[in-house]
Amino acid sequence: SQQGEEDPQALSIQEGENATMNCSYKTSINNLQWYRQNSGRGLVHLILIRSNEREKHSGRLRVTLDTSKKSSSLLITASRAADTASYFCATDLLLAGGTSYGKLTFGQGTILTVHP
Amino acid sequence: DSGVTQTPKHLITATGQRVTLRCSPRSGDLSVYWYQQSLDQGLQFLIHYYNGEERAKGNILERFSAQQFPDLHSELNLSSLELGDSALYFCASSRGGRTKAGYTFGSGTRLTVV
Repeated sequence: SQQGEEDPQALSIQEGENATMNCSYKTSINNLQWYRQNSGRGLVHLILIRSNEREKHSGRLRVTLDTSKKSSSLLITASRAADTASYFCATDLLLAGGTSYGKLTFGQGTILTVHP
Repeated sequence: DSGVTQTPKHLITATGQRVTLRCSPRSGDLSVYWYQQSLDQGLQFLIHYYNGEERAKGNILERFSAQQFPDLHSELNLSSLELGDSALYFCASSRGGRTKAGYTFGSGTRLTVV
């Protein structure tokens, strides 16, 4: 099964509104990353948050991480029609001994539609 | 342009055939990752190579194989193709062998098996 589970599966908002997407995971992580994918195209890295960080900002993006709840959220403020895309969280899993598995596990994604 | 080049962009082939997908990583990146994306399975990790060596294997079928060459480009070979192998195949690269920074993805190869 997927490590990351995004919620909601789909989100439809108006331009100017904020969009919040959530991600839950099951096991300990080294870091968590968010990616955007426009229809049928390659994924674009948005932001990375390490397991010892609680919040990170990048432009209109804000990511939080709660390792006790094994969850993360991505907030896009003042959304634009160009933000319409699928958003994926991806986790770098920690193995026993504290080493990383060395690969990212992706969730199923949230489809965001921003109406002009 | 992300710097990761995948060829071909589209491929249509018949069941039972064999195809090779090619990936050139971003300049300076030593790691190459292959992912398969389909509607029902989502993004599935297939395999990771770092500087020519296999580092991790995921849900890769025995009919599939990959390698990374000395110039760091990678090829994913898919044989005895089945209808269910139709999917988007992505290659991603990163500087090192760990995921301390994000991956850079190529634009993918859309494989259609008929």
